[in-house]
Amino acid sequence: GEDVEQSLFLSVREGDSSVINCTYTDSSSTYLYWYKQEPGAGLQLLTYIFSNMDMKQDQRLTVLLNKKDKHLSLRIADTQTGDSAIYFCAETTNDYKLSFGAGTTVTVRA
Amino acid sequence: EAQVTQNPRYLITVTGKKLTVTCSQNMNHEYMSWYRQDPGLGLRQIYYSMNVEVTDKGDVPEGYKVSRKEKRNFPLILESPSPNQTSLYFCASSFQGPHSPLHFGNGTRLTVT
Repeated sequence: GEDVEQSLFLSVREGDSSVINCTYTDSSSTYLYWYKQEPGAGLQLLTYIFSNMDMKQDQRLTVLLNKKDKHLSLRIADTQTGDSAIYFCAETTNDYKLSFGAGTTVTVRA
Repeated sequence: EAQVTQNPRYLITVTGKKLTVTCSQNMNHEYMSWYRQDPGLGLRQIYYSMNVEVTDKGDVPEGYKVSRKEKRNFPLILESPSPNQTSLYFCASSFQGPHSPLHFGNGTRLTVT
């Protein structure tokens, strides 16, 4: 079965880089996702990576995937106050279920 | 505007009183799903639907029912709510399963006393 784990909190200074880490257990995962949840809102898809990729970059976001260690990370460059949110790692396998981690609350301090 | 609409946003009820949380999407998506969000547990899938009249259990289906009579609507039914169903609920939809990006509603905060 799937089990996605992430650290619960991250505090970062404005302008620094944030790195959010995630581990998963299902080696047959096909897609891995990062979703962002702002206060009082639903989740929004930030980015995703297919399991045959090692890295994906999209503007300030860089996703790294280490399949051997089942480790996924999201790096946010030049973190801004608007990046304060909860970030969820998620994986999907060959069925129709999407498994989420518990979410990492990122706080950006001035 | 493309969106997933849930109602109500907030609901306080008592144990055993049947309730329905509605979910509607205007994007002609085939896949719809319900999640509950609890502190420290992230989002757990309750039920999902691949298309009209096709529904399947997620990870935590006990105490919930769903129906998918029309493509746009996917209501969540609690026949006899209990306090352990107090949670934040999200409906989501996507074009074709969880491999395509999910669009989430803004959530329904349910309190069962």
